[in-house]
Amino acid sequence: GAGVSQTPSNKVTEKGKYVELRCDPISGHTALYWYRQSLGQGPEFLIYFQGTGAADDSGLPNDRFFAVRPEGSVSTLKIQRTERGDSAVYLCASSDGNSGANVLTFGAGSRLTVL
Amino acid sequence: AQTVTQSQPEMSVQEAETVTLSCTYDTSESNYYLFWYKQPPSRQMILVIRQEAYKQQNATENRFSVNFQKAAKSFSLKISDSQLGDTAMYFCAWGTSGSRLTFGEGTQLTVNP
Repeated sequence: GAGVSQTPSNKVTEKGKYVELRCDPISGHTALYWYRQSLGQGPEFLIYFQGTGAADDSGLPNDRFFAVRPEGSVSTLKIQRTERGDSAVYLCASSDGNSGANVLTFGAGSRLTVL
Repeated sequence: AQTVTQSQPEMSVQEAETVTLSCTYDTSESNYYLFWYKQPPSRQMILVIRQEAYKQQNATENRFSVNFQKAAKSFSLKISDSQLGDTAMYFCAWGTSGSRLTFGEGTQLTVNP
């Protein structure tokens, strides 16, 4: 697509529920990133894919968080047993992975609210 | 820890004037890239300007320019002829080729008419 698309735009869930957030990167971009942004804070790195594999998952806060990119395009961030502290905007970004400057193009984010 | 510090949580400027946003970073890498991103209320992060650390010349994009001081690990953003549409949160970030970007906490810039 022309830009990075994230769905849903907003998600409200109850504590303990499971949620999935989807990211559709720019067509042809091999690198995909997930970030979490709490209110008034800068984006915090979660995980980075190069193709289908997670090249760096050191930012995932615990084992309730998991992300996949099975065909090297669309990615899904999965959060199990959600907690109120998981409430944030989840940003996805992609880059072509070939240019040295590593310019990330971001989606509009998915706002998750855990009640 | 390799961090980014933006010491100005909020700034304001009059329309048509010039404003400078500060950023310092800490890294042990020798070759890296620096970025300024803008985030308006729509939440979309938009690239404003980028700088390659191996280039001594400061990057410029129309009304936006940077003052890159590699030895001091400083990377400030200057916005000339400020416009109302420049009102946004501005984030400084750094990264190496093919890796994550590390972001600062942001500076909320308000341009007043």
